Amino acid sequence: SAVISQKPSRDICQRGTSLTIQCQVDSQVTMMFWYRQQPGQSLTLIATANQGSEATYESGFVIDKFPISRPNLTFSTLTVSNMSPEDSSIYLCSVLANTGELFFGEGSRLTVL
Amino acid sequence: SQQGEEDPQALSIQEGENATMNCSYKTSINNLQWYRQNSGRGLVHLILIRSNEREKHSGRLRVTLDTSKKSSSLLITASRAADTASYFCATDATDSWGKLQFGAGTQVVVTP
Repeated sequence: SAVISQKPSRDICQRGTSLTIQCQVDSQVTMMFWYRQQPGQSLTLIATANQGSEATYESGFVIDKFPISRPNLTFSTLTVSNMSPEDSSIYLCSVLANTGELFFGEGSRLTVL
Repeated sequence: SQQGEEDPQALSIQEGENATMNCSYKTSINNLQWYRQNSGRGLVHLILIRSNEREKHSGRLRVTLDTSKKSSSLLITASRAADTASYFCATDATDSWGKLQFGAGTQVVVTP
């Protein structure tokens, strides 16, 4: 399986600021996704990170709040903009293998004060 | 809406016992995957079972899939304290590869 590295692993942020999370994969992958896990909850898909084009967002998520970049087949970023305490979550990058398995990074735990 | 529902929500067992958790889903699927999460860290992929498979094994793990009932089960045999974690099932619909719908998860505690 691919090795997926996320930075930062955790951060404490002030309300109103923005934070960019990076996801680096050790091999080229076609499909990358960003998920969110709110405290005590399960995972929800935010968007599909498309290489060279705009991300595809799921219902309830918008580009202005969660801009995503994917400049190549091994790297993506997710920005959480104008943060509020409700954005405190674990954000996880994931990649789809040819086998259909979806592998996840270790996640980035954000706490917004 | 959440695709998968898991049962039980929490499970407490002793080392050496078996742990069984169940997952139900609502729509047709490509695959069903099971994951483990330790203390809010990243998800560890355990096993994938395809819609045309009925049973799959990996080490101490046994997964079954009943597409007629839209349900799956994960059995962990001879549990260890290190198996203490939250376990999630996740499905992707037939036209949504990689776009997983997760269940609420089962919290498993294995006591020595």
